[in-house]
Amino acid sequence: GAVVSQHPSRVICKSGTSVKIECRSLDFQATTMFWYRQFPKQSLMLMATSNEGSKATYEQGVEKDKFLINHASLTLSTLTVTSAHPEDSSFYICSARPSMTRLEQYFGPGTRLTVT
Amino acid sequence: ILNVEQSPQSLHVQEGDSTNFTCSFPSSNFYALHWYRWETAKSPEALFVMTLNGDEKKKGRISATLNTKEGYSYLYIKGSQPEDSATYLCEFPHAGKSTFGDGTTLTVKP
Repeated sequence: GAVVSQHPSRVICKSGTSVKIECRSLDFQATTMFWYRQFPKQSLMLMATSNEGSKATYEQGVEKDKFLINHASLTLSTLTVTSAHPEDSSFYICSARPSMTRLEQYFGPGTRLTVT
Repeated sequence: ILNVEQSPQSLHVQEGDSTNFTCSFPSSNFYALHWYRWETAKSPEALFVMTLNGDEKKKGRISATLNTKEGYSYLYIKGSQPEDSATYLCEFPHAGKSTFGDGTTLTVKP
């Protein structure tokens, strides 16, 4: 149980275009999902907390107009990288908590974004 | 910014060796500590949730201990196997957010 999927797993896009990444909880409902970015040889950096039915909470330094997050249902959150630039190339990974009482996070497999 | 550190950064052991690594975190306002195993091309997988000082949890050959007063947790692997090769992450949730260590990458050579 507690499976999180992420799509696509890899995407290459041209500079200036937008890319949408989907995160789905397959066998549980998640009122809260998290989006992380991993820089080379570094750990996971929280970008934003996605709350179903409300606006996402962004971490300091993360541009909310560039990284659009939508949590339309209890099983789906999307991250859209708008007007992507090469410096946005990174590994993006989402996670979800099944409930407020379950402390651990369940992660998706991640999306490798390359902007050319 | 919370200081969550893992050491060593990487570890190479022979099959059958036992090994351990450390996660250190702020000792004040402790809530919980999580350990994850992250294998290449897979999702990070939750290993342990540590909540009480003195906690010791075990899953097969892997175990973890917790010292909240001094702010560290150890992860032990007994008789390492090649399938244990992965990056082991610790997560320190605090004030509704999470801080991850940089991970310890374990390579077990057959």
